[in-house]
Amino acid sequence: QVQLVESGGGVVQPGRSLRLSCAASGFTFSGSEMHWVRQAPGKGLEWVASSSSDGSYKFYADSVKGRFTISRDNSRNTVNLQMNSLRTEDTAMYYCAKEEGTGPSSGFDIWGQGTVVSVSS
Amino acid sequence: QAGLTQPPSVSKDLRQTATLTCTGNNNNVGNEGAAWLQQHQGHPPKLLSYRNNNRPSGISERFSASRSGNTASLTITGLQPEDEADYYCSAWDSSLSAWVFGGGTKLTVL
Repeated sequence: QVQLVESGGGVVQPGRSLRLSCAASGFTFSGSEMHWVRQAPGKGLEWVASSSSDGSYKFYADSVKGRFTISRDNSRNTVNLQMNSLRTEDTAMYYCAKEEGTGPSSGFDIWGQGTVVSVSS
Repeated sequence: QAGLTQPPSVSKDLRQTATLTCTGNNNNVGNEGAAWLQQHQGHPPKLLSYRNNNRPSGISERFSASRSGNTASLTITGLQPEDEADYYCSAWDSSLSAWVFGGGTKLTVL
């Protein structure tokens, strides 16, 4: 069935790195724009990063620009988020999401269950 | 990156109609339209509507979306207990080259 499964979360000290992965199945991954969205405890949704279907275009929220890198492997149906120089304010549930894809503001129609990242000394 | 503006909370009676709003600007909602998501506590978000008023398969007709200028709206008719959740709007901002979310509205069904 159509699903996204995130992995790689954990507890990490400030300044360290973590790599999240998202495995996709049940849809044409290579034709889909993919995103990472996070949600701090008790807070709303915050878009983090996006990758075009072929990985040639990448966009980042100002809060993570220069520290996080999104990448994808269409041969393995995976999208990754490399997170460097982590800060306490990066603590959140990180969701992988697929864009519905019919045009601008088409929304995110498939979401994973999320993986928790906790940045603490 | 500036987000979209949503009222923090809305309360309505069972079987009544709730209208949630989401205000942006000419670079996001006004230009590109908005999508709506529902999130129950402890669960990932679920897409309710995209590109202003398209419902994904399986979403009830009780949920309908619209847009007027820079404000998008989500109307939920015949409120049910299971509609009690957080609702978020999202849009692509062509000026920021970024996705923006609203802060979310907590809907309480009395």
